[in-house]
Amino acid sequence: AQSVTQLGSHVSVSEGALVLLRCNYSSSVPPYLFWYVQYPNQGLQLLLKYTTGATLVKGINGFEAEFKKSETSFHLTKPSAHMSDAAEYFCAVIFSGGYQKVTFGTGTKLQVIP
Amino acid sequence: GAVVSQHPSWVICKSGTSVKIECRSLDFQATTMFWYRQFPKQSLMLMATSNEGSKATYEQGVEKDKFLINHASLTLSTLTVTSAHPEDSSFYICSASFTGATDTQYFGPGTRLTVL
Repeated sequence: AQSVTQLGSHVSVSEGALVLLRCNYSSSVPPYLFWYVQYPNQGLQLLLKYTTGATLVKGINGFEAEFKKSETSFHLTKPSAHMSDAAEYFCAVIFSGGYQKVTFGTGTKLQVIP
Repeated sequence: GAVVSQHPSWVICKSGTSVKIECRSLDFQATTMFWYRQFPKQSLMLMATSNEGSKATYEQGVEKDKFLINHASLTLSTLTVTSAHPEDSSFYICSASFTGATDTQYFGPGTRLTVL
């Protein structure tokens, strides 16, 4: 069955430290992959996406993600965490043949410690 | 670009009443709009997909008679929660996509519904 998994519902990092949020998908065909950020009581903002082409994708706010087909992963990273990065992050997938239907991961809440 | 708005941002209503939530694409024509529901500390669950001028396609388990969706124009979709009950209290989020960029959905800010 097709699914998307985010490891770690909560991640804490110190300000200035590396941010790594993990996302894996289950599918025999590479899907379209997205990372969204959600601040409290707000909608979702697209950070970055991968559809085709270069597997290392750069997004807004200094985030980037790398699509690794062999590992069926799309982990989100940022070299240096900022206090403003504290939010909920969702990995999302459109599976092949899914026609725009987005499947969301369960989310990872990022806490940044001063 | 690609801004989606929702109105109202929050609403409180009495049990048994109906509530309408609007979703608008402000700077593009939304060929497809989506409605999601998000419970506290949980992920988003797709409720339905609507294309302009067509009936909405509901996900399994979503009562179409309770959650009425209308997508009358390329910039407006509405979700009406009929005969609302406390268990309908949730955060409702819409998103929209447009021709030429159907792989990306742009999300509204959400509407917090509380049913007393």
